[in-house]
Amino acid sequence: GAVVSQHPSRVICKSGTSVKIECRSLDFQATTMFWYRQFPKQSLMLMATSNEGSKATYEQGVEKDKFLINHASLTLSTLTVTSAHPEDSSFYICSARLGGNTEAFFGQGTRLTVV
Amino acid sequence: GDSVTQMEGPVTLSEEAFLTINCTYTATGYPSLFWYVQYPGEGLQLLLKATKADDKGSNKGFEATYRKETTSFHLEKGSVQVSDSAVYFCALESSYKLIFGSGTRLLVRP
Repeated sequence: GAVVSQHPSRVICKSGTSVKIECRSLDFQATTMFWYRQFPKQSLMLMATSNEGSKATYEQGVEKDKFLINHASLTLSTLTVTSAHPEDSSFYICSARLGGNTEAFFGQGTRLTVV
Repeated sequence: GDSVTQMEGPVTLSEEAFLTINCTYTATGYPSLFWYVQYPGEGLQLLLKATKADDKGSNKGFEATYRKETTSFHLEKGSVQVSDSAVYFCALESSYKLIFGSGTRLLVRP
């Protein structure tokens, strides 16, 4: 299957700083990318959906100004956690699909720890 | 809203044992249903899917049947291997978005 690369796999940052997570589709053009957050022993919770060249659509309860999503090209989407706090510590996962009803491919996830 | 409930783990089995991981869903309409697998250090991979009632998805010896009457999509394998040790996620698709269960960790001992 297609490859989605997520970077970094782990990051530790200080409270109050911002951290950027990248999600790249390596061998296909992803018209749509999704960002998920996973708490221990819980489901992957969809945070937002982004389409190339347009603003992301956030799920209810997700702070747009806190979690900035940019999908500037067909192969790259970024999630920036701004002014991070310990409660933002979590596992963040991206997925990408060619479009519409096609299969979604997932990155390996990013473990964020805010200290 | 739509949701997926799957059995809590971990599930620990001996090699060649029979596996069942239960999954039930709540949804309006008839969504597509999926099982994803996540091996250690890797991203989620699609294991199998079913798009309508009574469909059976299968892959790598795993099977799951879309049961509309019981709103279930249980994952089964007749004889597990150590290499099947992973976390398994049940999911449904609603408006092109995937809604996941909480995942079930499977540990297969030699």
